[in-house]
Formats: sequence, structure tokens, C-alpha cells
Amino acid sequence: DGGITQSPKYLFRKEGQNVTLSCEQNLNHDAMYWYRQDPGQGLRLIYYSQIVNDFQKGDIAEGYSVSREKKESFPLTVTSAQKNPTAFYLCATLRSQGGGEKLFFGSGTQLSVL
Amino acid sequence: AQSVTQPDIHITVSEGASLELRCNYSYGATPYLFWYVQSPGQGLQLLLKYFSGDTLVQGIKGFEAEFKRSQSSFNLRKPSVHWSDAAEYFCAVVRGNAGNMLTFGGGTRLMVKP
Repeated sequence: DGGITQSPKYLFRKEGQNVTLSCEQNLNHDAMYWYRQDPGQGLRLIYYSQIVNDFQKGDIAEGYSVSREKKESFPLTVTSAQKNPTAFYLCATLRSQGGGEKLFFGSGTQLSVL
Repeated sequence: AQSVTQPDIHITVSEGASLELRCNYSYGATPYLFWYVQSPGQGLQLLLKYFSGDTLVQGIKGFEAEFKRSQSSFNLRKPSVHWSDAAEYFCAVVRGNAGNMLTFGGGTRLMVKP
């Protein structure tokens, strides 16, 4: 089935540790996004990538890093510089075609600090 | 399994007409409810959210939504649609006892006729 796979579903991070969240898609979409969800707030954009080997910072990129070596994959690393990493992380892709653009969403990863 | 349903994939309304976009969810407990808009060439923007209290919620751009527990619905409304409202609209739900884990509906594309 076509879709977006995020793993793991739950992730725990120790102080000072880097962790990487996986996002894989087989929808053949060029653009991919990482969002963060905190209690009481809307989604905030961390990073996005329009094409392979290119990515741009979103609104809250500090403490995060990404790579886009393959079209299918857009992993997000939460570094030790991110002082408040506990949140729900959502990966999305964008379909662009004649009928208009549409976002598709993964099932998310809940990251917690031990 | 938790689910969020937006029954209408496409809706076309005339400019100046009223609008209602439907959203249903399948949880027992009262969830946290959101409506987002994805505008062409842009990311997601939060229109409004419901956590508790008054079941009629006012949002930005003249939108409102009403939480109806008996119908498990959170429909988005606008009394008079503008051409600039043409976009993809997403309903999203955080289950009340599931932390921040966000589930999106499939989206409804709104087209506005002059």
C-alpha cells in the first residue's frame, strides 16, 4: 500500500542523547515536511524538503537536523541542543498535480525525555 | 482503531455562500479537535481548536466550528465564503488520553465559484 511510515511510534531520549526519527514514503512525492505538536498548540514546522538533497529550516529548526539523500526518506534528528524535545512529531508529504496540492500525513512519533 | 473522517473529498460553493465542512471522529472520550487549512504553495495554518468549554469555537478568517458530542462531530462553518478560501482543509484530533498524538482526516478540497 502507498503511504508514509514513521518509526518508532514511541521513542525515549536520555539527557544529552541524539535520537533520529524515521519517515519513509512510497508515494513518489517530492516535498516532505516535519512538524511538531505540543499540548495546547497547533503544529509547528521544523524542516521541509522540496527535492532530494535540498532542505530548508522551518519556524523552529533549532536543535534539529535533517537529511534528504533519497526521495523516499526524510529522517529527523533531535539533537542534544534541543532542550525541550518532548512532543509529538509528524511527517508529511505533499502531492502536487493538476488538481491541486494536498498534504498526506504519517502516524507520528511520540518522543519523551527520560 | 481511532479514526477521523471527512466525508466530503471535494466541495464547491459560490462566493458569498455559506460553507460547512464535515468532520467526524470515533473516540469514546472527548478529544482535542483542530481544523487546519493548507493553502496553495504554503504549509498548514491552524484555523481553530477545541479543548473544552464552549462548544462553539471561533477561529481566524471568519471560521467557526461546533463540537457536538452526541454526533461525534466538529464541523467547520463560514457564513460567507471568499474566493481566497479555496484550499484543502484538514480536521485533526488528539485523543483526550493519548498525549499529543494527532490523527488527521483525509482532507476536503474547497473550490469557490465566482
